[in-house]
Amino acid sequence: GAGVSQSPRYKVAKRGQDVALRCDPISGHVSLFWYQQALGQGPEFLTYFQNEAQLDKSGLPSDRFFAERPEGSVSTLKIQRTQQEDSAVYLCASSLTLTDDEQFFGPGTRLTVL
Amino acid sequence: AQSVTQPDIHITVSEGASLELRCNYSYGATPYLFWYVQSPGQGLQLLLKYFSGDTLVQGIKGFEAEFKRSQSSFNLRKPSVHWSDAAEYFCAVRASTNAGKSTFGDGTTLTVKP
Repeated sequence: GAGVSQSPRYKVAKRGQDVALRCDPISGHVSLFWYQQALGQGPEFLTYFQNEAQLDKSGLPSDRFFAERPEGSVSTLKIQRTQQEDSAVYLCASSLTLTDDEQFFGPGTRLTVL
Repeated sequence: AQSVTQPDIHITVSEGASLELRCNYSYGATPYLFWYVQSPGQGLQLLLKYFSGDTLVQGIKGFEAEFKRSQSSFNLRKPSVHWSDAAEYFCAVRASTNAGKSTFGDGTTLTVKP
């Protein structure tokens, strides 16, 4: 596809369930980023990858959050034992390189935890 | 640690009027600065960026921004607003030493009156 795609677009989970959010970056993009956007706030950095290497995961809120990009392309953000405070839009972005290239954002996955 | 403040949560302007959205950042060295626009249901789109050089930066859709080091500001401007500019605008900062981690402000919602 021409842009970054994310699936599912909407996810409703019961508290305590595990969820997996998928990001398909633009083909050939080396860098991939995950952000969490709570209602009424700006995106907050979670983690980023260069190819398959996770270079910074300092933004992950707890050890319930885990991200992977095993083949350097598609990435999955997994949240275990979801809590209500995990409700947010999860944004994925990719860029051609890491340094000064534009980040292209996907439409996001809206997660609602009941 | 880097941070971004967008003092105006909501701004309303008339179509055809000029626009200025404020952004103040906190970072020890020269930052990389960005403005993004987010329309409902769509991903963030980069309007413009500043890395170095000329402090007046031109972007897409007729937007420009000026980096003022002495004021730690990067305000976004447009001389004549169109109804289609109604959206949420985010300012972001990225450290030159950590290219992966961007910090966003909480956004300014722009409403355009006919």
